[in-house]
Amino acid sequence: DGGITQSPKYLFRKEGQNVTLSCEQNLNHDAMYWYRQDPGQGLRLIYYSQIVNDFQKGDIAEGYSVSREKKESFPLTVTSAQKNPTAFYLCGSREYNQPQHFGDGTRLSIL
Amino acid sequence: AQSVTQLDSQVPVFEEAPVELRCNYSSSVSVYLFWYVQYPNQGLQLLLKYLSGSTLVKGINGFEAEFNKSQTSFHLRKPSVHISDTAEYFCAVSLELNSGGSNYKLTFGKGTLLTVNP
Repeated sequence: DGGITQSPKYLFRKEGQNVTLSCEQNLNHDAMYWYRQDPGQGLRLIYYSQIVNDFQKGDIAEGYSVSREKKESFPLTVTSAQKNPTAFYLCGSREYNQPQHFGDGTRLSIL
Repeated sequence: AQSVTQLDSQVPVFEEAPVELRCNYSSSVSVYLFWYVQYPNQGLQLLLKYLSGSTLVKGINGFEAEFNKSQTSFHLRKPSVHISDTAEYFCAVSLELNSGGSNYKLTFGKGTLLTVNP
């Protein structure tokens, strides 16, 4: 079955440490997205990528970085510059005019 | 830029009662509209979508929504809810392709927590 795989499901970060969240899709979608979800805040867009080797900042990109070297992969790095990284992170993908698909999320916590 | 407002952050109802979750959007051009459901610690699952055509859209799990362009609304309804419908519901909007804006960005509302009580 086609879908989006996010790993790990739970992740812990120490102060001053960078961590990378994985997102892989086998839906052959061009566009991929990263969202951050906090209670009562809905989904806020961090970064998105429309094609390989290209990506754009979303609404809350500070403290995050991404790469898009392959169509099926869009990893997100939460850097030490992100002062409040504890959240639920969702990866998505879509084609033109079609609904967005989502992975099952990664919950990041600070030790 | 488009925006989405979900007017109720929480909606408690009794089992077998009808429910309506409200969603209003703001955009200067034509849009596509979506409703998603999220169960705890999971991703979002598509309930239904409006791309074009009939303004009454039927989705999974007995949900439906009506697109009202004049009122810029896309309210979600179910005539009789079950305990298993307890979840958070998100309304989302993207610009229509060829509307002159970016079609890739999806803007979400802040969500409505539906709690179905026995």
